[in-house]
Amino acid sequence: DVKVTQSSRYLVKRTGEKVFLECVQDMDHENMFWYRQDPGLGLRLIYFSYDVKMKEKGDIPEGYSVSREKKERFSLILESASTNQTSMYLCASNPAQGWEKLFFGSGTQLSVL
Amino acid sequence: GESVGLHLPTLSVQEGDNSIINCAYSNSASDYFIWYKQESGKGPQFIIDIRSNMDKRQGQRVTVLLNKTVKHLSLQIAATQPGDSAVYFCAENAGSARQLTFGSGTQLTVLP
Repeated sequence: DVKVTQSSRYLVKRTGEKVFLECVQDMDHENMFWYRQDPGLGLRLIYFSYDVKMKEKGDIPEGYSVSREKKERFSLILESASTNQTSMYLCASNPAQGWEKLFFGSGTQLSVL
Repeated sequence: GESVGLHLPTLSVQEGDNSIINCAYSNSASDYFIWYKQESGKGPQFIIDIRSNMDKRQGQRVTVLLNKTVKHLSLQIAATQPGDSAVYFCAENAGSARQLTFGSGTQLTVLP
């Protein structure tokens, strides 16, 4: 059974804290993605990576950074969390050729107080 | 940038009826489309896809229709069941792009 695992289901953080969201996939996929999901706005792409140590900005990268030191792991970093970053964060991965094989994790609901 | 949008944010149907969920897209270069289902507490799951060289594709109880002339696609679910209650997203990709663009989603509720 293929899996994309996000380390936390729920997180509560304070404004200004540094926050790490971890994502691990066991499918040897080349591509990994971080989205945020807000009611009425759908999924918006924050960052993605198509290879180890490679990263590209998505549509809303401001306030975020990412790290991909190993193929199976893609981390999203909020350098200084703000209340407007309260959201559901979804990680996904797919092989280099294959949008039909895009698999999502179950999400991390982050609340910044 | 280009966007994918949905006509209706919510849809309620009686169990056993057919459901139709619509999606409009604006990027004329889009050549691949996917429908996802997201159940409560889970990430989106692939349902069905269609390429721009087709106008219809059928799966198990689901059909996707693509009308490139008006940049519209729809997801039809036959004999809707309680387990179909979820949020449905369309997504599109232009062949040269490394990312999908998602619509805002439609909440489908199946009434007993």
